[in-house]
Amino acid sequence: DQQVKQNSPSLSVQEGRISILNCDYTNSMFDYFLWYKKYPAEGPTFLISISSIKDKNEDGRFTVFLNKSAKHLSLHIVPSQPGDSAVYFCAASVPGANNLFFGTGTRLTVIP
Amino acid sequence: DTAVSQTPKYLVTQMGNDKSIKCEQNLGHDTMYWYKQDSKKFLKIMFSYNNKELIINETVPNRFSPKSPDKAHLNLHINSLELGDSAVYFCASSQLPLNTEAFFGQGTRLTVV
Repeated sequence: DQQVKQNSPSLSVQEGRISILNCDYTNSMFDYFLWYKKYPAEGPTFLISISSIKDKNEDGRFTVFLNKSAKHLSLHIVPSQPGDSAVYFCAASVPGANNLFFGTGTRLTVIP
Repeated sequence: DTAVSQTPKYLVTQMGNDKSIKCEQNLGHDTMYWYKQDSKKFLKIMFSYNNKELIINETVPNRFSPKSPDKAHLNLHINSLELGDSAVYFCASSQLPLNTEAFFGQGTRLTVV
């Protein structure tokens, strides 16, 4: 059973516009959430994270929003750049866990 | 310097063969992982080792055997390879508790023919 879901397999956005990537989860014990970015033939690289005690975390052009009641988080990229084109994975962990649960990823294409 | 390195990057082999994938991290992390990304792009944990001790072993066929000679290395040995083993395998490392990011290797694309 997949506990972290990314229901949009792909997203296309014009350069300069906002990209919004969504992620839903089912396990209410998750207390830490991460976004990873993956280019072809490379491993995922960490992008940004958020603890469940917060509802927003910002790092430059990247902002992650967490809505615990809806069990939903989103990643906003603004402005989007062609170099942002990649697959984005949402991940989550429970307290004391030794594992990250990943979504299936969303392929973002930023059109110049 | 590569933080998490795994070799080989590509591996094509016949059914029934035994193969190994090596992984090394130079980050001083205590915990290492093997993840499998299948054809549906689902990234799922296989094993987790903390200081050379196995702490997670998901439902993985016992043909898969991880070996950790020291905390900087976690190798994956696969016996009697099957067509369904074809996937991309990622090694990763982190510090526990897992409230910080895990660092991933570049992946090994295994194709069983």
